[in-house]
Amino acid sequence: GAVVSQHPSWVICKSGTSVKIECRSLDFQATTMFWYRQFPKQSLMLMATSNEGSKATYEQGVEKDKFLINHASLTLSTLTVTSAHPEDSSFYICSASRRGDEQYFGPGTRLTVT
Amino acid sequence: AQSVTQLGSHVSVSEGALVLLRCNYSSSVPPYLFWYVQYPNQGLQLLLKYTTGATLVKGINGFEAEFKKSETSFHLTKPSAHMSDAAEYFCAVRMYSSASKIIFGSGTRLSIRP
Repeated sequence: GAVVSQHPSWVICKSGTSVKIECRSLDFQATTMFWYRQFPKQSLMLMATSNEGSKATYEQGVEKDKFLINHASLTLSTLTVTSAHPEDSSFYICSASRRGDEQYFGPGTRLTVT
Repeated sequence: AQSVTQLGSHVSVSEGALVLLRCNYSSSVPPYLFWYVQYPNQGLQLLLKYTTGATLVKGINGFEAEFKKSETSFHLTKPSAHMSDAAEYFCAVRMYSSASKIIFGSGTRLSIRP
């Protein structure tokens, strides 16, 4: 149990376009979902925390208008990178947590902006 | 504020040798502590965690870690390294609530020599 999936696993987009990444909890209801970004050979940096039905809480330095997070249901959260630029190229990882439990991580999405 | 320090960005051991990955945390109260493993282009897999109780925690794949409050440490060990252990390892800390964010260390890349 406690499986989290991400789609797509790998995406290439052109500079200036937007791309949406989905994070799903497959076998549990996630009250909270987290989005992380990981640059090559670096650690995971938390971007935002989202609770179902409410606005996401962004970490300092993360542009909320650029990284749109929607947590519309207890099993789905989406991250949309708007007007993507090459510096947004990174590995994006989500995690999901059910009330009183630990975070379960997705497999990640590799975004390359050309 | 919480923080995690992993000593050594790269550790190399021979197959069959002891693995020791170091982690120290900074927190005003004992937090929850985690070790995660990440294989290339994949998400995170939980190796083990310390919440409360026994300070020696056993995890998957033969790994274990000991919580030492006096040293604010949570070092990861494995008696005998296997080639399949080659990966990136992250120590992490989180406060008691599952909705609280996880703070990751910078990571240690473990290489195994034949």
